[in-house]
Amino acid sequence: QITLKESGPTLVKPTQTLTLTCTFSGFSLTTSGVAVGWVRQPPGKALEWLALHYWDDDKRYSPSLESRLTITKDTSKNQVVLTMTNMDPVDTATYYCAHGRRTISYYFDYWGQGTLVTVSS
Amino acid sequence: DIVLTQSPATLSLSPGERATLSCRASQSVNSYLAWYQQRPGQAPRLLIYGAFNRATGIPVRFSGSVSGTDFTLTISSLEPEDFAVYYCQQRSTWPWTFGQGTKVEIK
Repeated sequence: QITLKESGPTLVKPTQTLTLTCTFSGFSLTTSGVAVGWVRQPPGKALEWLALHYWDDDKRYSPSLESRLTITKDTSKNQVVLTMTNMDPVDTATYYCAHGRRTISYYFDYWGQGTLVTVSS
Repeated sequence: DIVLTQSPATLSLSPGERATLSCRASQSVNSYLAWYQQRPGQAPRLLIYGAFNRATGIPVRFSGSVSGTDFTLTISSLEPEDFAVYYCQQRSTWPWTFGQGTKVEIK
């Protein structure tokens, strides 16, 4: 059974760096054809794709945020970490991590519950 | 970036009615398009991938189709649990993008 869960601060100040951890079970990010990604959703707004980490260490970022984002994995802990620098109030959103696999073209078939991050001084 | 335009923004229907949701891509995405359902307070759920393939466990009342850059999600007969927001997503070209969503509400 595949599960994912996001963790991190619920409140960050403007200009600070956000670090979110996705802890997963039921799969390994060393298995060929697996990926873990991040998606966010501002309150009442649409989904926005942020970043993706493939099993082979290939990484992809949203170009509009690439200079601020870093995605890493810790296979020993079954975790994927997303860092976002220079946080701004417009970054207030629920942040989701999700699982994708090659057999369904890396669409996200399992999602975490999401974690709401508020950016405010 | 590829822009996905969903219409209508809101669809007001009654249980048992047929729902037809549209997603138009600003350029070709071939069949690299998925549909997600998001109920209030929940994470999105994958419904359809590759334009017309139902994800595991998705009821047959959900179906997807494509004509060029126009994609359609059809719910043949709305159940109470189907009233939610639906998003399309393309993975043809980086960056992957989502549409703005269609809310299916109870009339």
